[in-house]
Amino acid sequence: AQSVTQPDIHITVSEGASLELRCNYSYGATPYLFWYVQSPGQGLQLLLKYFSGDTLVQGIKGFEAEFKRSQSSFNLRKPSVHWSDAAEYFCAVGATGRRALTFGSGTRLQVQP
Amino acid sequence: DTAVSQTPKYLVTQMGNDKSIKCEQNLGHDTMYWYKQDSKKFLKIMFSYNNKELIINETVPNRFSPKSPDKAHLNLHINSLELGDSAVYFCASSQGRPNEKLFFGSGTQLSVL
Repeated sequence: AQSVTQPDIHITVSEGASLELRCNYSYGATPYLFWYVQSPGQGLQLLLKYFSGDTLVQGIKGFEAEFKRSQSSFNLRKPSVHWSDAAEYFCAVGATGRRALTFGSGTRLQVQP
Repeated sequence: DTAVSQTPKYLVTQMGNDKSIKCEQNLGHDTMYWYKQDSKKFLKIMFSYNNKELIINETVPNRFSPKSPDKAHLNLHINSLELGDSAVYFCASSQGRPNEKLFFGSGTQLSVL
């Protein structure tokens, strides 16, 4: 069965600083990988996804993520964080033939002025 | 227009009661889901329906019963509510092959007293 680990429960960065949120997955084949963001009191919104091809994927709001098969990782990055990026971020993995994603436990991002 | 809407947004009830949460999507998607998010923000799939057919039924107490009258609606009925049922319940939908982009509702905060 697939699983997702987000090692950082809570991260605080200064506005304008760069950001990297870590995600490690466990799955026997090539996974489908996703990053979602959840603002307070809201549902989740897809930031980006990786299915195949280029291992560096671009998403909305200036986010990108890189799939590294050798490290079983799919880390999320942003070069310059804005105060509005403060939210909960979830990594998720999907598998062929299964119509539901497995989510990580989330990383809460706090942005300092 | 809201793409995936859930009602009610907040639900406070006593132990032992029966309650329902409703979900509707106007995206024309063929698959709908119920996810449970616990107090630690961990998201877990409960059920999924594809064209009104139950395709995912995770290890969930049989007090929880999903019902899909048509592919645009997926309701969740909970019998004999327990304290441990307190959580945020998210409805989501998707279209096409497995693991396509999920569209989430804004959640129902259930508090069992």
